Amino acid sequence: GDSVTQMEGPVTLSEEAFLTINCTYTATGYPSLFWYVQYPGEGLQLLLKATKADDKGSNKGFEATYRKETTSFHLEKGSVQVSDSAVYFCAFTIAGGTSYGKLTFGQGTILTVHP
Amino acid sequence: DAGVTQSPTHLIKTRGQQVTLRCSPKSGHDTVSWYQQALGQGPQFIFQYYEEEERQRGNFPDRFSGHQFPNYSSELNVNALLLGDSALYLCASSFTYFEQFFGPGTRLTVL
Repeated sequence: GDSVTQMEGPVTLSEEAFLTINCTYTATGYPSLFWYVQYPGEGLQLLLKATKADDKGSNKGFEATYRKETTSFHLEKGSVQVSDSAVYFCAFTIAGGTSYGKLTFGQGTILTVHP
Repeated sequence: DAGVTQSPTHLIKTRGQQVTLRCSPKSGHDTVSWYQQALGQGPQFIFQYYEEEERQRGNFPDRFSGHQFPNYSSELNVNALLLGDSALYLCASSFTYFEQFFGPGTRLTVL
């Protein structure tokens, strides 16, 4: 069935370090891919998205590239800040069929950035 | 422009009781989806409402039901509460199939 596998956390980095959070997916259909971020005590915010193969989504210094051949959508940031500390979720939805509009999420990766 | 709002923020119930959670979508949105997020887990899709009808449903028992009103707001009802229903319940709204915007959630604790 449809699923998302994310890199196990928690991830702890020092400020200005490079961040990678791995995400792979299994989808029956052609998915649109998303990264959501959840700050403590809050709901989910869309961080970035990509809707077709080789698209790169970017926002607030974060980037992820839709890799259809490896079914991956890894999140990267060149220099993290303390304010980036949050839980990051990889997700997808499929256009068409019975899953259209339903988001399938990974389990989340906790990121903690120290000064 | 107000985003997605949910009420109440927190709720404590006992096993066997019933609960109703409410969601008001972002202005211009006509579709509401509900998700359950257990502690330390990713959100799980419960169901989606469009034009006052349930359009899709995830793998949740019939104890979970919902409703959408003509103004596009929505309710999630859970009957015969179990301890395992304790979670953060997230509402997301969208314009038909497009990008979903999430509310802050309702934290339900079942004792």
